[in-house]
Amino acid sequence: EAGVAQSPRYKIIEKRQSVAFWCNPISGHATLYWYQQILGQGPKLLIQFQNNGVVDDSQLPKDRFSAERLKGVDSTLKIQPAKLEDSAVYLCASSREAGGEQFFGPGTRLTVL
Amino acid sequence: DAKTTQPPSMDCAEGRAANLPCNHSTISGNEYVYWYRQIHSQGPQYIIHGLKNNETNEMASLIITEDRKSSTLILPHATLRDTAVYYCIVRVVGNQFYFGTGTSLTVIP
Repeated sequence: EAGVAQSPRYKIIEKRQSVAFWCNPISGHATLYWYQQILGQGPKLLIQFQNNGVVDDSQLPKDRFSAERLKGVDSTLKIQPAKLEDSAVYLCASSREAGGEQFFGPGTRLTVL
Repeated sequence: DAKTTQPPSMDCAEGRAANLPCNHSTISGNEYVYWYRQIHSQGPQYIIHGLKNNETNEMASLIITEDRKSSTLILPHATLRDTAVYYCIVRVVGNQFYFGTGTSLTVIP
C-alpha cells in the first residue's frame, strides 16, 4: 500500500512569511497526526485528528499555527506568521485507529531565515 | 513530557546483537511500551510494541522486565542499515505518543 505522502519536502521562507504543508494519509486511516521535530530532538505532537475532528491540539501554538482536515482525508498545516524558532521538520503520520501503529511520512523540512 | 530514559548513544559491531535499554519506572498497568526508529532524513518507523510479555517479530525482540519498569530492544544481527535513532515510548492515556530524545545507535563495520 502507498505510504503517507507529504509536500513539499523542503521549504525556505523568511520570518513573518506564511507557509503551508500538505499531507495525504494512508487510505482508510481515520487518525492523522502532525508532529514538529526540532533538530536533535524527538518529534513533538502538535495536533491529532480523528476523521475530520480534532482530538488533541493542546501543543499547537494557536496564535500562529492552524490545521484542518476537511473531508477527513488530506490535511494541511499552516504557519502564519513564521518565526525563526519554527525551523524544524514537520512530520505527518496516520493510523488505522487512534492509538494504533503510526505510519510516518518523510516530513517537510522548514527553514525560517 | 517523555516518560522514558534512554542512553543518548550506543555502538554495536556489525553482525552482533544490539541491546538497547529503556527505563520507564513510572509506567502504568495499562500502558504499552512502543519502539520506533528514525533513519536519517526519514520519518520514524514502527518496530515493535508490548504490554507485559516479551514480543518478537521479524525486525526485533522486546524484553520487558517483570515489574515493567524497564525494557530492552534487541536487534539480533545488526547491520549497517540499522544505524538510526531508536525511540522508546510509553503510550499514555489518550493514545498520545511522547517521543524523548532516543538512543543514537551506530553499527560499526
